[in-house]
Amino acid sequence: QKEVEQDPGPLSVPEGAIVSLNCTYSNSAFQYFMWYRQYSRKGPELLMYTYSSGNKEDGRFTAQVDKSSKYISLFIRDSQPSDSATYLCAPREVSGGYNKLIFGAGTRLAVHP
Amino acid sequence: DSGVTQTPKHLITATGQRVTLRCSPRSGDLSVYWYQQSLDQGLQFLIQYYNGEERAKGNILERFSAQQFPDLHSELNLSSLELGDSALYFCASSPGLSNEQFFGPGTRLTVL
Repeated sequence: QKEVEQDPGPLSVPEGAIVSLNCTYSNSAFQYFMWYRQYSRKGPELLMYTYSSGNKEDGRFTAQVDKSSKYISLFIRDSQPSDSATYLCAPREVSGGYNKLIFGAGTRLAVHP
Repeated sequence: DSGVTQTPKHLITATGQRVTLRCSPRSGDLSVYWYQQSLDQGLQFLIQYYNGEERAKGNILERFSAQQFPDLHSELNLSSLELGDSALYFCASSPGLSNEQFFGPGTRLTVL
């Protein structure tokens, strides 16, 4: 079993829809939960992150973490064609001076006009 | 633009060869990380350096090695290349040991 499971999609939605992207993880040592967005042939771009359990909102994006169920979510409101990209969840293990991101497979999102 | 630069953008080489990928971190960042992204394995952590010292190793093959120089740039050396080493190689940097990481544009390696 992989440490981080993420449905690779693809997910296709109409413009304006609410998008829900999810991951599950198995390692209780994860403390930070990152979301990266990756456009085709580009490097991953940090979107937002949360620390421990709870919600964080940034504009149209909301990240949620439930550590009790080891479940990570990213919601995109009023989705736009420019949101079409691959979204990668990446719990971060920080311990003993190291800082490792463990990436999910990434979910490919297509928002059509 | 994250501020992390990587060269070259593309590299095409033959099996058995050796290549060097270069990364310059964001100004002021002391930590550098290397990741490999392939179609079947996704994005995988290879190695972390902090201020010239190796801090963590992930799924890095023995044929691969890295170092971070006094000016903080880093190089990833890949030797005895195999077809399966074809992938995107990303460098990331962070200010310290435990901050969020910012990724460069990547180097696309093709081994023929």
